[in-house]
Amino acid sequence: DTAVSQTPKYLVTQMGNDKSIKCEQNLGHDTMYWYKQDSKKFLKIMFSYNNKELIINETVPNRFSPKSPDKAHLNLHINSLELGDSAVYFCASSQAPTGQETQYFGPGTRLLVL
Amino acid sequence: AQSVTQLGSHVSVSEGALVLLRCNYSSSVPPYLFWYVQYPNQGLQLLLKYTTGATLVKGINGFEAEFKKSETSFHLTKPSAHMSDAAEYFCAVPNQAGTALIFGKGTTLSVSS
Repeated sequence: DTAVSQTPKYLVTQMGNDKSIKCEQNLGHDTMYWYKQDSKKFLKIMFSYNNKELIINETVPNRFSPKSPDKAHLNLHINSLELGDSAVYFCASSQAPTGQETQYFGPGTRLLVL
Repeated sequence: AQSVTQLGSHVSVSEGALVLLRCNYSSSVPPYLFWYVQYPNQGLQLLLKYTTGATLVKGINGFEAEFKKSETSFHLTKPSAHMSDAAEYFCAVPNQAGTALIFGKGTTLSVSS
């Protein structure tokens, strides 16, 4: 059983389109995250949710909107896609939003905007 | 502010040689420290972490790391490299609130036969 899963794995789309990425975890964790990995493999936090409540919203364009329908799911919707949005997006989860907790990562969604 | 610096963006070793990947941290509070590995086209997997207690931490696949407060370091080592160790390695520290991880820029490990 996959602990943290993401769909789709690959996403190729045109500039200006709107797209969504879905994430699900079956670990029973309370906290979920979205990270962005750029072309130089640099990883940065975008959003974090705890018990469906937003706890981190980094300086991300408001074209990015996360939604957590329940504790096991955290989706990412992106409006008006731009070339610079091309990256790998990772979902992760942890037991709690505390520093010592291990975060478990999904396989990533590779987004290419043309 | 919390930060990590990984020295050396690319490390190359021969199979069977010692692996040493360097990580230095900056933290205003006693740090928790993590090493994650990313194999090609995959997500990140925890190798090991330091929270409290023993400063020498053993992880998966024969890796270990030693927390040295005086040197603000958490270097990752493995006595004998295997071809399957070729991957991207990330050192990480929690942000000040402990609500997300701050990653280093990563070190690519190449292993040659």
